[in-house]
Amino acid sequence: QVQLVQSGAEVKKPGSSVKVSCKASGGTFSSFAISWVRQAPGQGLEWIGGIIPVYGTANSAQKFQGRVTITADISTSTVYMEVSSLRSEDTAVYYCARRPDYSNHVFDVWGQGTLVTVSS
Amino acid sequence: SYELTQPPSVSVSPGQTASITCSGDKLSNKYVCWYQQKPGQSPVLVIYLDTKRPSGIPERFSGSYSGNTATLTISGTQAMDEADYSCQAWDGGTVVFGGGTKLTVL
Repeated sequence: QVQLVQSGAEVKKPGSSVKVSCKASGGTFSSFAISWVRQAPGQGLEWIGGIIPVYGTANSAQKFQGRVTITADISTSTVYMEVSSLRSEDTAVYYCARRPDYSNHVFDVWGQGTLVTVSS
Repeated sequence: SYELTQPPSVSVSPGQTASITCSGDKLSNKYVCWYQQKPGQSPVLVIYLDTKRPSGIPERFSGSYSGNTATLTISGTQAMDEADYSCQAWDGGTVVFGGGTKLTVL
């Protein structure tokens, strides 16, 4: 059974960057895609973007384009998401989620979440 | 940008049926998923591709459609079903979530 384990909580200053990792275990990393979703305190889920590791192709929501970079390291079964130019509104729990079928966006396994706090 | 609309809250008595709606423009042309999220926990997929139920999800959870509104139905609601529920769809390569509905089991 696939498990996604994310890196630990981060506290960052406004204007800085944060890189969150998501390591997959228990499955064939090359057979699925990984997406990133965030949830600000008391708010709903918000899709950020995703990557198909075996192809290295990534896409992101329009509001994050230019500020989010999603990459994958197949050798370690790990996906990374870097957010730059952080602002207070980026304070949220960031989740990675597995997308087992490239033809749709069903997220069947989720990581435990990484709290990113942006504060001066 | 595409939007999905859910009611902020729904209340139900134990043992009764809870219905949570999700509406969007031309939603009938898209696939819908539903996620359950309890406080402090990660989301859990409960319905995918409109009506399919992942293994391990109780049969009391079901999904349906009427026009441009998708509905998550929980039959015989139990106290453990109290949670936030979010619908999700995709439009091309862009994924959209509804704002979430807090289900209270009174």
